[in-house]
Amino acid sequence: GENVEQHPSTLSVQEGDSAVIKCTYSDSASNYFPWYKQELGKGPQLIIDIRSNVGEKKDQRIAVTLNKTAKHFSLHITETQPEDSAVYFCGPGGGSNYKLTFGKGTLLTVNP
Amino acid sequence: DVKVTQSSRYLVKRTGEKVFLECVQDMDHENMFWYRQDPGLGLRLIYFSYDVKMKEKGDIPEGYSVSREKKERFSLILESASTNQTSMYLCASSLWTGSSYEQYFGPGTRLTVT
Repeated sequence: GENVEQHPSTLSVQEGDSAVIKCTYSDSASNYFPWYKQELGKGPQLIIDIRSNVGEKKDQRIAVTLNKTAKHFSLHITETQPEDSAVYFCGPGGGSNYKLTFGKGTLLTVNP
Repeated sequence: DVKVTQSSRYLVKRTGEKVFLECVQDMDHENMFWYRQDPGLGLRLIYFSYDVKMKEKGDIPEGYSVSREKKERFSLILESASTNQTSMYLCASSLWTGSSYEQYFGPGTRLTVT
């Protein structure tokens, strides 16, 4: 099965700084690479995803980059704001079924 | 607007009780999932279903069973609740669109077994 590692487990930045979270996976059949954000008291919500035929995707202040050869992808958040404070999960999948395998999460704290 | 609802936000049960957690989605999604979320362990898949009456074990199915009699409803059953099943339980649904396996999550049920 898929083995997913996510780093760092906690990240504290000053408002306006950038934040980067990395996800490493093991299944070479994975072809879908999403990032989810979970705010306190809510379920996770997709914020950005990328398919394996694309190396980078941007949506305003967030971006995802994929290195399929090295089997890792990263979430980049620029100009961080306090409302970016949340737990972020990577969840690669899309191999033989509809499953996603989630990392253990990264608690991002943006200090005003 | 996409919606996944779970029957309870908080639930307290006693050891040995049979517990039902209900999940309903209104998006006509084929796939539904049950996860448990514990601090430091992330989201772990318990069971998933890719069609009505079809189910597959996830990574931690022991002590759980599921039921999917209708497309929109997926139930998680704890046959005999134990204290180590105290956790946050999250339900999700998805539909393969040809480009995305996006899963839509409910708000979660925090279950305490005493």
